[in-house]
Amino acid sequence: NAGVMQNPRHLVRRRGQEARLRCSPMKGHSHVYWYRQLPEEGLKFMVYLQKENIIDESGMPKERFSAEFPKEGPSILRIQQVVRGDSAAYFCASSPGSESSDGYTFGSGTRLTVV
Amino acid sequence: GESVGLHLPTLSVQEGDNSIINCAYSNSASDYFIWYKQESGKGPQFIIDIRSNMDKRQGQRVTVLLNKTVKHLSLQIAATQPGDSAVYFCAEEGAGGTSYGKLTFGQGTILTVHP
Repeated sequence: NAGVMQNPRHLVRRRGQEARLRCSPMKGHSHVYWYRQLPEEGLKFMVYLQKENIIDESGMPKERFSAEFPKEGPSILRIQQVVRGDSAAYFCASSPGSESSDGYTFGSGTRLTVV
Repeated sequence: GESVGLHLPTLSVQEGDNSIINCAYSNSASDYFIWYKQESGKGPQFIIDIRSNMDKRQGQRVTVLLNKTVKHLSLQIAATQPGDSAVYFCAEEGAGGTSYGKLTFGQGTILTVHP
């Protein structure tokens, strides 16, 4: 039973390029959450998605960032025209979704470095 | 431990000692609390959770205490082992549908266990 799978583990992009981060939830989980972590800080919520729907994007920057969770395939967090300040670890979590107590399982993250 | 500037609080213990990690939360409406362990280069790993209708919950070698009056959460680890060395985060989730899936993470505490 594979956990939450994120790829790539490490991603290096030059300023102005696009970054695409992928997340495959645990089997049977239909709810996906993206978080960002800066060095020596806790995780900050970005967006909550269900299949084909964005439920809560209150933590997403207004520009350059978008997320999707299509009917088929992984969830994608897309950052356009990356800047140095986007360098961070991006974590995805998934849950069955019916109750909080079902828990949130996190992936190992994608470490984005913008040079 | 004590925090200095932007550095995380730290706690150093000897192997076999009991550890207590503290967390203050700000939202009195928070309904669900989770402790996570994060090792270097990995995602947060679930340790134990507690709902606001409880004040204590025990797991294997871990106990979480919740004091809603002062909005304080603590994690007790019995017989701490070197493998417990990691950063520990508390996370809270508010009550109500709009808060579901949106965890607010604390600053984190670095636990170092010396053999």
